[in-house]
Amino acid sequence: GQQLNQSPQSMFIQEGEDVSMNCTSSSIFNTWLWYKQDPGEGPVLLIALYKAGELTSNGRLTAQFGITRKDSFLNISASIPSDVGIYFCAGQLGSGGYQKVTFGTGTKLQVIP
Amino acid sequence: DAGVTQSPTHLIKTRGQHVTLRCSPISGHKSVSWYQQVLGQGPQFIFQYYEKEERGRGNFPDRFSARQFPNYSSELNVNALLLGDSALYLCASSFYSNTGELFFGEGSRLTVL
Repeated sequence: GQQLNQSPQSMFIQEGEDVSMNCTSSSIFNTWLWYKQDPGEGPVLLIALYKAGELTSNGRLTAQFGITRKDSFLNISASIPSDVGIYFCAGQLGSGGYQKVTFGTGTKLQVIP
Repeated sequence: DAGVTQSPTHLIKTRGQHVTLRCSPISGHKSVSWYQQVLGQGPQFIFQYYEKEERGRGNFPDRFSARQFPNYSSELNVNALLLGDSALYLCASSFYSNTGELFFGEGSRLTVL
């Protein structure tokens, strides 16, 4: 099945550093979302974006909905050890009562204390 | 408040067997979706049910089926198991039928030998 392309695939950073990751798609979406998954758990929603060009923040997290509707990026500022996990972007058309969410390939983040 | 609960958490089956996975959504959520997550990949959409009706189906064979009960809980059934069906099966619930803002359970880890 289709998956969105995320980069980088993995990254090691020092605690306190800022992190940037992005996601691209060959098709457009009306909603972009970012989820985080910890080991042994299901994904948890971090940020949802509903409008092309929209920039939204949630604490130390900032995400943007690309103007072409085919991409999105997520920034994490001043990383802390609990930021460790796998970050997934996700896109959704949301038309006709149809919920299907298409997930990316994931970016694995490791934070060195 | 209880989140999305799934059972069993882990199970081992052999090729050719069938499996039933169960999910209870967050109270008040009428939409339930199922996702398959193979190790190292993002979740892949299998089914969505809303008010007991199938609203969407991903690119999975007919061996996969699901249903939603009057109390909005759901079952995912997989027949004639293949080795490639080994994965984490995630259930997600939401209040609206077309939102991408999903609340995931911890998943059922299926191993097919």
